[in-house]
Amino acid sequence: QSVLTQPPSASGTPGQRVTISCSGSSSNIGTNTVNWYQQFPGTAPKFLIYSNNQRPSGVPGRFSGSRSGTSASLAISGLQSEDEADYYCASWDDSLNGPVFGTGTKVTVL
Amino acid sequence: QVQLQESGPGLVKPSETLSLTCTVAGGPINSAAYYWAWIRQPPGKGLECIGIIDHSGNTFYKPSLRSRVTIFVDMSKRQISAKLSSVTAADTAVYYCTRGWSGVGALESWGPGSLVTVSS
Repeated sequence: QSVLTQPPSASGTPGQRVTISCSGSSSNIGTNTVNWYQQFPGTAPKFLIYSNNQRPSGVPGRFSGSRSGTSASLAISGLQSEDEADYYCASWDDSLNGPVFGTGTKVTVL
Repeated sequence: QVQLQESGPGLVKPSETLSLTCTVAGGPINSAAYYWAWIRQPPGKGLECIGIIDHSGNTFYKPSLRSRVTIFVDMSKRQISAKLSSVTAADTAVYYCTRGWSGVGALESWGPGSLVTVSS
């Protein structure tokens, strides 16, 4: 039922770069900025990236975001074991007048 | 740093009304810079916005829930509340209270969540 599409999983070894894609439409990513959230099991999501590529205070520089057209991506450079979590993209949807989320991607550190 | 704390019934019977409250501490509750959103997450599944309310009291609800959900603000109690009527097992989820940035849409503050199970 999610409006934005993400791959269900991604993985990498420590130190590698992992990229997660997020596909939307003209009513959301194509018009509005993209935000990303990180969620560990049993906890609330954490604000990770906003306005496509901005990091809130305290978020490590190895996390970066980008947007192009109706798609966006999150990159984790120098993957660390503590990055193992679920990641969700989100954007405002003008048709629904509210935030919409991606399907979520589970990142595994091998 | 704003702090959000949800409270809910834990267990609700099918067809009854689910009532949730979110107490806001350490930040403004009526600022044009922010809006409030209730997000839910069924067990093992993704995130879903059930509705939002802005500083003017304007509300927007997920279309499939519009007939069943109401969100409102109690300024005197510093609470954001949500009611969901005629619940079914499909409404079983962790419900999160969140604060978003107006214009940007980013949900920058989240409560710890309140698990609500719908079961007889």
